[in-house]
Amino acid sequence: NAGVTQTPKFQVLKTGQSMTLQCAQDMNHEYMSWYRQDPGMGLRLIHYSVGAGITDQGEVPNGYNVSRSTTEDFPLRLLSAAPSQTSVYFCASSAPGRVSGYTFGSGTRLTVV
Amino acid sequence: AQSVTQPDIHITVSEGASLELRCNYSYGATPYLFWYVQSPGQGLQLLLKYFSGDTLVQGIKGFEAEFKRSQSSFNLRKPSVHWSDAAEYFCAVGASNAGNMLTFGGGTRLMVKP
Repeated sequence: NAGVTQTPKFQVLKTGQSMTLQCAQDMNHEYMSWYRQDPGMGLRLIHYSVGAGITDQGEVPNGYNVSRSTTEDFPLRLLSAAPSQTSVYFCASSAPGRVSGYTFGSGTRLTVV
Repeated sequence: AQSVTQPDIHITVSEGASLELRCNYSYGATPYLFWYVQSPGQGLQLLLKYFSGDTLVQGIKGFEAEFKRSQSSFNLRKPSVHWSDAAEYFCAVGASNAGNMLTFGGGTRLMVKP
């Protein structure tokens, strides 16, 4: 089925480790975003991209890195994991133009110990 | 900067009762507004959206929302709640620039009593 695919679904990291959360979409959407979800805070934007080769920071970018080499993929890198990065991470994609609403992946639950 | 407030963190209603979830936004221009629903352990599913025109919008699963510019509100309603509606609901405002960036409210968790 078409949509946004995130891997892995669950991950436990030790403080200081690095890892990459994968996100792929097959809807040819130009816009992609990463959000983190924490209790009582809704979803907060980490980074977003408006097309291959173009990325920008969102509300909470510190400690995260992104790149967009293809339209389909938008990986999120944790450079040196910290307990404050324990969260649920969602990737989402959208068509450009009028705001059509993002399609979300099923999320990655990350625990940093 | 845009912002969204959902004043109710938790709401409990009886099955068959009506429902209204509140959402207030702050945005400098004409807002693009959304309601998403999240079932436990799942991603977010779009319920409905408002861009312009008719201020009462219909969505999936029998939900509707009314845009009131004078009150900066976009409340979600359903006339008769089903047990399967128990979930967390998020209101969001979108920017037409900056990658359609969404700003979310903190969410309202809905519980349905049998």
